[in-house]
Amino acid sequence: QSALTQPASVSGSPGQSITISCTGTSSDVGGYKYVSWYQQHPGKAPKLMIHDVSNRPSGVSNRFSGSKSGNTASLTISGLQAEDEAEYYCSSYTSSSTLVVFGGGTKLTVL
Amino acid sequence: EVQLVESGGGLVKPGGSLRLSCAASGFTFSSYSMNWVRQAPGKGLEWVSSISSSSGYIYYADSVKGRFTISRDNAKNSLYLQMNSLRAEDTAVYYCARKKLNSGSYPFDYWGQGTLVTVSS
Repeated sequence: QSALTQPASVSGSPGQSITISCTGTSSDVGGYKYVSWYQQHPGKAPKLMIHDVSNRPSGVSNRFSGSKSGNTASLTISGLQAEDEAEYYCSSYTSSSTLVVFGGGTKLTVL
Repeated sequence: EVQLVESGGGLVKPGGSLRLSCAASGFTFSSYSMNWVRQAPGKGLEWVSSISSSSGYIYYADSVKGRFTISRDNAKNSLYLQMNSLRAEDTAVYYCARKKLNSGSYPFDYWGQGTLVTVSS
């Protein structure tokens, strides 16, 4: 069982917006502004999409945005495109003995 | 161009050992904290270990503590993971990942292509 909880799957049509949630505790998501989001296509390495809750690395489309409220972080993808279909993982710094925790992943399907 | 290239994976029997390597290029390796992250077949990501730029700070996941050792050689631009007492549940693709500079958290901004470790008799 993963430390952070994500929905197993979400779906949307091209052009629509979707939101993926990531729920943790006050020891991780809720306690720090240290949430990251990764996109992973099948057979590929993960790619950093969002860091520090809402910051986009250079080169990442502004269709991707992040936010946090309490113990739950969210990734929103607007204007869905076919290439957005992938697995998405959240992660957070944690004050527990494990430095970094990941969510179980969410499969995004673009209908 | 930043490149991280892992090697050293393979098939090993339970209880055996393996040493993974990660060759870095395209950036000042000695300035960055480096990490190992693994992914079991069909499963999610799991952080394994982290080492600071000068090896002064080292951290491990509870699942590997006491069995795995992370190290680096800044002169060779290389990261290592010595894995001992391997178990079936260590079977995974192991990724080398760079911690983004100037971030208080642990975002990993570059990843290697991964190397597969299979623990089976």
